[in-house]
Amino acid sequence: DAGVTQSPTHLIKTRGQQVTLRCSPKSGHDTVSWYQQALGQGPQFIFQYYEEEERQRGNFPDRFSGHQFPNYSSELNVNALLLGDSALYLCASSSIWDRTYEQYFGPGTRLTVT
Amino acid sequence: AQSVTQLDSHVSVSEGTPVLLRCNYSSSYSPSLFWYVQHPNKGLQLLLKYTSAATLVKGINGFEAEFKKSETSFHLTKPSAHMSDAAEYFCVVDSSGTYKYIFGTGTRLKVLA
Repeated sequence: DAGVTQSPTHLIKTRGQQVTLRCSPKSGHDTVSWYQQALGQGPQFIFQYYEEEERQRGNFPDRFSGHQFPNYSSELNVNALLLGDSALYLCASSSIWDRTYEQYFGPGTRLTVT
Repeated sequence: AQSVTQLDSHVSVSEGTPVLLRCNYSSSYSPSLFWYVQHPNKGLQLLLKYTSAATLVKGINGFEAEFKKSETSFHLTKPSAHMSDAAEYFCVVDSSGTYKYIFGTGTRLKVLA
């Protein structure tokens, strides 16, 4: 059983560009959350998707948007990249029906903005 | 509002000695609390969790934590450190039960030979 997978592993972009990161949740999970982990910091919640809709959102600008597909996989899009967007982006999956309150995290995508 | 404070950004211990990583939380509701470990260039791994059952929680690799509501604390301990325990540790709170995790800033554990 594959766990949470993310692609790509690493990405280098230039300021002002747009980027799309992808996540496949653990089998049986229906909820995907995205986190941003800046260097030396703890992960920060960006947003969460369930049933193809954004269910809750953290304190991130509208440049950060997402999507969830019918197969529960998800994308994170960031427009007009800033140097400060350089970070490790983590995807986590869970099941809304599973009351363990556990999320499973993927290995992350390292985004570098130059 | 919910928040997590990890009281030490760095902790150094000698191999074979006890480990104590401190965490205080703030929550309006009965929270779920977690400790995750992150090894360099690796993903986050769940060590243990508290979800309103027993207040002393045992996790993987000999770690345990005690939920103390009166002190709003959830400190992580291990009786004897191993070199492989060197990593970044995160205390996490989820007050709403909606999988919106709030992470602490992390404690980097160094284990000396």
